[in-house]
Amino acid sequence: ETGVTQTPRHLVMGMTNKKSLKCEQHLGHNAMYWYKQSAKKPLELMFVYNFKEQTENNSVPSRFSPECPNSSHLFLHLHTLQPEDSALYLCASSETSGYTDTQYFGPGTRLTVL
Amino acid sequence: QKEVEQNSGPLSVPEGAIASLNCTYSDRGSQSFFWYRQYSGKSPELIMSIYSNGDKEDGRFTAQLNKASQYVSLLIRDSQPSDSATYLCAVISLAAGNKLTFGGGTRVLVKP
Repeated sequence: ETGVTQTPRHLVMGMTNKKSLKCEQHLGHNAMYWYKQSAKKPLELMFVYNFKEQTENNSVPSRFSPECPNSSHLFLHLHTLQPEDSALYLCASSETSGYTDTQYFGPGTRLTVL
Repeated sequence: QKEVEQNSGPLSVPEGAIASLNCTYSDRGSQSFFWYRQYSGKSPELIMSIYSNGDKEDGRFTAQLNKASQYVSLLIRDSQPSDSATYLCAVISLAAGNKLTFGGGTRVLVKP
């Protein structure tokens, strides 16, 4: 596969469930990102990892827990979510987190919290 | 004040016409500017990046940057129905720690 892949593409979970989103990039990049896209709102940055180290946590609630075991993989662990967390979760990667580096997005995971 | 502002639209354009999209940003120290296209239910895909004042052309797309006036625009020439999508303006600012900040997007409808 090429580019940035995300699994699952769709996820429905209850508020007491624990689930994980997975992102994998095949571009040889060193920076990876999680974004949240809710209806009628701009894309919101959640987390940034650069060379496996978290460099940005954009005031995200602790019920979202990221993990970056290597530069190619990024996870978002979910637990005790709320219905307002229902959104499209997008993963992106770039060569580094420098200001000239273009971010490439995966297809997203459509999350519904019941 | 929103950091990156776009008119939400929809911008209705006849097929073959030029679509003109505008984006303004608040951080004067912004360094890098991107236009992404997002089809309904899909993820954003990069159309163009621009870093210095002036015009940058790529096929039917032209990005224009004016840092003094803090705006960046996107022109789509010979608009096609397949150009119907939401266009996202995104800006990177050193002051914001190189975070990519998105506008709310402009929805474009190209009518045959």
